Amino acid sequence: SQTIHQWPATLVQPVGSPLSLECTVEGTSNPNLYWYRQAAGRGLQLLFYSVGIGQISSEVPQNLSASRPQDRQFILSSKKLLLSDSGFYLCAWSVRQALYSNQPQHFGDGTRLSIL
Amino acid sequence: GESVGLHLPTLSVQEGDNSIINCAYSNSASDYFIWYKQESGKGPQFIIDIRSNMDKRQGQRVTVLLNKTVKHLSLQIAATQPGDSAVYFCAENKQGYSTLTFGKGTMLLVSP
Repeated sequence: SQTIHQWPATLVQPVGSPLSLECTVEGTSNPNLYWYRQAAGRGLQLLFYSVGIGQISSEVPQNLSASRPQDRQFILSSKKLLLSDSGFYLCAWSVRQALYSNQPQHFGDGTRLSIL
Repeated sequence: GESVGLHLPTLSVQEGDNSIINCAYSNSASDYFIWYKQESGKGPQFIIDIRSNMDKRQGQRVTVLLNKTVKHLSLQIAATQPGDSAVYFCAENKQGYSTLTFGKGTMLLVSP
């Protein structure tokens, strides 16, 4: 079966520090990968998605970037964190053909990021 | 812009009752809908989905109803249990697009 792992589960970082959150998927090949942010008591905002190695689409302009160095690895980064970057970051995957045919996305358990 | 939203932010029910969570969507081109359950501190968990060529789909203790005429989606949970307490999100997608649009969520509180 497929599994998705995110780490760390929680992270406290000072303003201006760099960030690297990692997500890996097991049990499937060529997945679509997604990064979301969820503010407290709010819905999910899509940040980035990827349909393949090195292919990243950004949904909103921001202080963050994403990379996909391997098929089942998705990384969310920042060079200098802002207070507004605090939130709950979720990684998700879907089967490759889901890009143009409807299939659900499956989520990891997230990273809670607090910026001080 | 077009979005998916929810009518009730919080729904409180007694254990054993049936629960109904509602969702309105505004994009008439949406053709795929999903319900997710999110427990505190965890990621959303897939519950059930429905495509626009269907009006109803049933799972284990859950039923999703789709009314395309009024662009309304609902999730029915039968015999609600304390373990059903969570935030429930609806999401929609349009054929040919890679992304889901999520509603803000409804918190379901189940009292024993």
